Amino acid sequence: SYDLTQPPSVSVSPGQTASITCSGDKLGDKYASWYQQKPGQSPVLVIYQDNKRPSGIPERFSGSNSGNTATLTISGTQAMDEADYYCHTWDSSTRCVFGTGTKVTVL
Amino acid sequence: EVQLLESGGGLVQPGGSLRLSCVASGFSFSTYAMSWVRQGPGRGLEWVSGVSGSGGRRDYVDSVKGRFTISRDNSKNMLYLEMNVVRIEDTAKYFCARDIAVAGSAWLDPWGQGTLVTVSS
Repeated sequence: SYDLTQPPSVSVSPGQTASITCSGDKLGDKYASWYQQKPGQSPVLVIYQDNKRPSGIPERFSGSNSGNTATLTISGTQAMDEADYYCHTWDSSTRCVFGTGTKVTVL
Repeated sequence: EVQLLESGGGLVQPGGSLRLSCVASGFSFSTYAMSWVRQGPGRGLEWVSGVSGSGGRRDYVDSVKGRFTISRDNSKNMLYLEMNVVRIEDTAKYFCARDIAVAGSAWLDPWGQGTLVTVSS
């Protein structure tokens, strides 16, 4: 099976930059996407194909993917960004795989 | 507006059966693969099953193979998950989601609001 590992938690001050990593074997050879999930709500896509933002997602969300690590960066973090974040990848053999999830706390 | 709405969750005894449904609207349903993803209490996301747009290809996570069956009715814009011989560990909120696949990549967007399945005696 293919595993994606994320830090359990990340803390950030308002206005600062939060970086969430996602590690997997040769993840950079695949595409990564990221989902935001607020308490009691369904996941929402925030990044797809490593670094693309869907319509309606603020520019402060950006992504990168190289080597064994994909990274979601939130610049100028706001209180409304406090949520759980999950990375995700897909390939023809492992199909759909989610990361372990990271709780972002805005202090 | 693209929308997905799940139903069919509830309380079921271990070893029992349940069928989840998801109705889609706002897009050409038959041209997209679809997935079921679950989230146990206080836990992360776990992909459960996926089906191609035509229904010809179906995939499952190992833990549900032989017990769950995914299907779709493109004439009704409906996605289903038949759950048999359920276990305590199948307790979760089950989301349906649209698969978008482009050039070797795939992502899920949007997601439904989820339906809760509780397996307990």
